[in-house]
Amino acid sequence: GQQLNQSPQSMFIQEGEDVSMNCTSSSIFNTWLWYKQDPGEGPVLLIALYKAGELTSNGRLTAQFGITRKDSFLNISASIPSDVGIYFCAGSLSGAQKLVFGQGTRLTINP
Amino acid sequence: GAVVSQHPSRVICKSGTSVKIECRSLDFQATTMFWYRQFPKQSLMLMATSNEGSKATYEQGVEKDKFLINHASLTLSTLTVTSAHPEDSSFYICSASGGVYNSPLHFGNGTRLTVT
Repeated sequence: GQQLNQSPQSMFIQEGEDVSMNCTSSSIFNTWLWYKQDPGEGPVLLIALYKAGELTSNGRLTAQFGITRKDSFLNISASIPSDVGIYFCAGSLSGAQKLVFGQGTRLTINP
Repeated sequence: GAVVSQHPSRVICKSGTSVKIECRSLDFQATTMFWYRQFPKQSLMLMATSNEGSKATYEQGVEKDKFLINHASLTLSTLTVTSAHPEDSSFYICSASGGVYNSPLHFGNGTRLTVT
């Protein structure tokens, strides 16, 4: 099935560093969502973006909906150990309904 | 708190048996629920869209007779894996939306199915 191109696939950083990851698509999406998944659990919604150019923050997380509607990025500032996990971007054409997922970015933090 | 509840969280069954997984929306009515499958170290792949009161819509390559979906009420969808085989072992996750445009999708905690 269709997937978004998410990069990087994995990141190894020091605690306190900032993190940036992004997703691109050849197709336009009307909604971009960012999720975090811990091992053995379902994805948890971090940020939802509904308008091209929209920049939204959630604590130390900031995400933007690209102006072309074909990309989005997620930044995490001052990383802490609980940020470890897999981050997925997801896009939708119809509200926040049927989602297409990126391949995920696995974040590992060295204390 | 969790808005989508999935049960069971973990199930082990013998090859050839059937397994039912439940997905409930806890504090809202979900006219549409989605079922995903996730293999180890991979992303989530949509299997089917579950519509309350009507037949599910399956993605290409997903066998509808093997993965039976029933969405009998606005708060419950079930996925039954029939005649399970070891290759069906995976992490199955449901999601639901309140149906209002732009209401974000929330996911259940997943069901780890192991077929021996």
